[in-house]
Amino acid sequence: DGGITQSPKYLFRKEGQNVTLSCEQNLNHDAMYWYRQDPGQGLRLIYYSQIVNDFQKGDIAEGYSVSREKKESFPLTVTSAQKNPTAFYLCASSSNPRTGGVGAEAFFGQGTRLTVV
Amino acid sequence: AQTVTQSQPEMSVQEAETVTLSCTYDTSESDYYLFWYKQPPSRQMILVIRQEAYKQQNATENRFSVNFQKAAKSFSLKISDSQLGDAAMYFCAYRSETGANSKLTFGKGITLSVRP
Repeated sequence: DGGITQSPKYLFRKEGQNVTLSCEQNLNHDAMYWYRQDPGQGLRLIYYSQIVNDFQKGDIAEGYSVSREKKESFPLTVTSAQKNPTAFYLCASSSNPRTGGVGAEAFFGQGTRLTVV
Repeated sequence: AQTVTQSQPEMSVQEAETVTLSCTYDTSESDYYLFWYKQPPSRQMILVIRQEAYKQQNATENRFSVNFQKAAKSFSLKISDSQLGDAAMYFCAYRSETGANSKLTFGKGITLSVRP
């Protein structure tokens, strides 16, 4: 089945530690995104990538880092510099509107709930 | 920069009745996509409906339809014959058609409750 997979579903981190959230897709999508969701804040964009080996900062990139070494994978690292990392994180992917993006809608993973303890 | 505004944080509707969720956006572009996503308690994001800005006809998907007013930059979602399963958070989203700026921008969402 084609889809987008996030792991783990729940993650606990001690203060001062870095942690990496996994996101894998087999939809052959060019674009991938990371969002953070907090109550009352909607989905805020952390980073996005439109092609392998390239990515751009979103609206709240401070304290986060990403890589895009493979088309299928877009891991997000929450660093110790992120002051308030407890949140729900959503990964998404979509085709490129210009290169075959039928509809261009994003498909989402099931999310990772990160809690700092 | 594009912005998406959902000014109503919560709405309630009686089962079997109709409800309209509002969304406005700001952009200087002429070609773009608009979406409504549903997030039930499972937190899985589900696409409800999509509208291409170049299409004048409003999109419909079964009980869901939109009222797209391009000049007013308004994109409301109408849910007809509301069902208990429609209770969820609904997000309006914007995406540019320009490949160099294809990020997907969301509003803050609206929580819809359905009264039996």
